[in-house]
Amino acid sequence: AQSVTQLGSHVSVSEGALVLLRCNYSSSVPPYLFWYVQYPNQGLQLLLKYTSAATLVKGINGFEAEFKKSETSFHLTKPSAHMSDAAEYFCAVSASGYSSASKIIFGSGTRLSIRP
Amino acid sequence: DTGVSQDPRHKITKRGQNVTFRCDPISEHNRLYWYRQTLGQGPEFLTYFQNEAQLEKSRLLSDRFSAERPKGSFSTLEIQRTEQGDSAMYLCASSLAVDYGYTFGSGTRLTVV
Repeated sequence: AQSVTQLGSHVSVSEGALVLLRCNYSSSVPPYLFWYVQYPNQGLQLLLKYTSAATLVKGINGFEAEFKKSETSFHLTKPSAHMSDAAEYFCAVSASGYSSASKIIFGSGTRLSIRP
Repeated sequence: DTGVSQDPRHKITKRGQNVTFRCDPISEHNRLYWYRQTLGQGPEFLTYFQNEAQLEKSRLLSDRFSAERPKGSFSTLEIQRTEQGDSAMYLCASSLAVDYGYTFGSGTRLTVV
């Protein structure tokens, strides 16, 4: 079974500051890991994904995440926050490989606020 | 490719009524998923289709919920005898395979009064 824990339901940073959103996962098999972003009243948009290739993954809008197996973590970072980054961010996990457990399990989300 | 479309965007219904939502996935995607999202929570898995076959259904889903995907194209999600606890955003997503990630629709917001 897979699960994710997002540490901090709300993170607030100043514009131009580092963004760090924390995610820890649990998986009984090698995982696929994802970060999604959700703007108000919209669906979820894929930011980036880890599928067992490079452990440092770069995504859209300047975000990146590093897969650390020893720490079971997949934290999302961005060097310099922009006002447009304000949104809800979801970490998610699924089982890798062709498996009947092919659904993605989402964390509870972290709301990112940007201070001017 | 117009993405994943969901209809309607908003639905207000009285408790006890039946409602049906529609999802049109990306045409070449053979996998289709339904999720439910309540305020302040992440999406919760409801059910999954591969082509027309419903391969998994959440144990949290009561018998009042049913989903279909005839001919492996669009899908419908029906809720019978709606309850106030059914109020949520219902999200549809499609995919070629799980490692591609999902493409989500904009969702249908259900309000049961």
